[in-house]
Amino acid sequence: DQQVKQNSPSLSVQEGRISILNCDYTNSMFDYFLWYKKYPAEGPTFLISISSIKDKNEDGRFTVFLNKSAKHLSLHIVPSQPGDSAVYFCAASANTGGFKTIFGAGTRLFVKA
Amino acid sequence: DVKVTQSSRYLVKRTGEKVFLECVQDMDHENMFWYRQDPGLGLRLIYFSYDVKMKEKGDIPEGYSVSREKKERFSLILESASTNQTSMYLCASSLTLGWGRNTEAFFGQGTRLTVV
Repeated sequence: DQQVKQNSPSLSVQEGRISILNCDYTNSMFDYFLWYKKYPAEGPTFLISISSIKDKNEDGRFTVFLNKSAKHLSLHIVPSQPGDSAVYFCAASANTGGFKTIFGAGTRLFVKA
Repeated sequence: DVKVTQSSRYLVKRTGEKVFLECVQDMDHENMFWYRQDPGLGLRLIYFSYDVKMKEKGDIPEGYSVSREKKERFSLILESASTNQTSMYLCASSLTLGWGRNTEAFFGQGTRLTVV
């Protein structure tokens, strides 16, 4: 039973448009969320995070939105660029004592020039 | 920049062999992790270590063991490799554990292991 779900295996977007990657979680104890980006033949790299006390965090072209009531978060990339083409992983952790970060299955983003 | 280096990019091993995957980080991080990445399953935690000689099981520790004799080095051991351990293995390190800032993980480039 996956606690962090990325239901779209892939997404294709035109360059310059907005990319929206979605992530749902089932464990209400999760209170810190991270997005990682992974290029082929490389390890994932940290992109942006958000804590449960916020509903939005922005870093340049990347914004993460958190809807706690819906147990849903999304990553917005505006404007999308061809270099953004990668696999994006959503991850969640809980401040319940002891370490536990759960990753989603990933969404492959294609940005077309 | 944090650098996490895995000793091999590709490995092919036979069923039943003992396999060692090595990982070194250069940023003096306390915490190190081993994940495996499989299609449709994302990254799953095998083991992690929060200090030298300390280890904790992750979600899928069966068939694996780890060793952390030095702070910068974390080894994953497949005691007797099986075909269902064919996967991409990712090592990572982080400054802190748990929640909030500085918990983000820095990953190595991955080792694609094929067990035949």
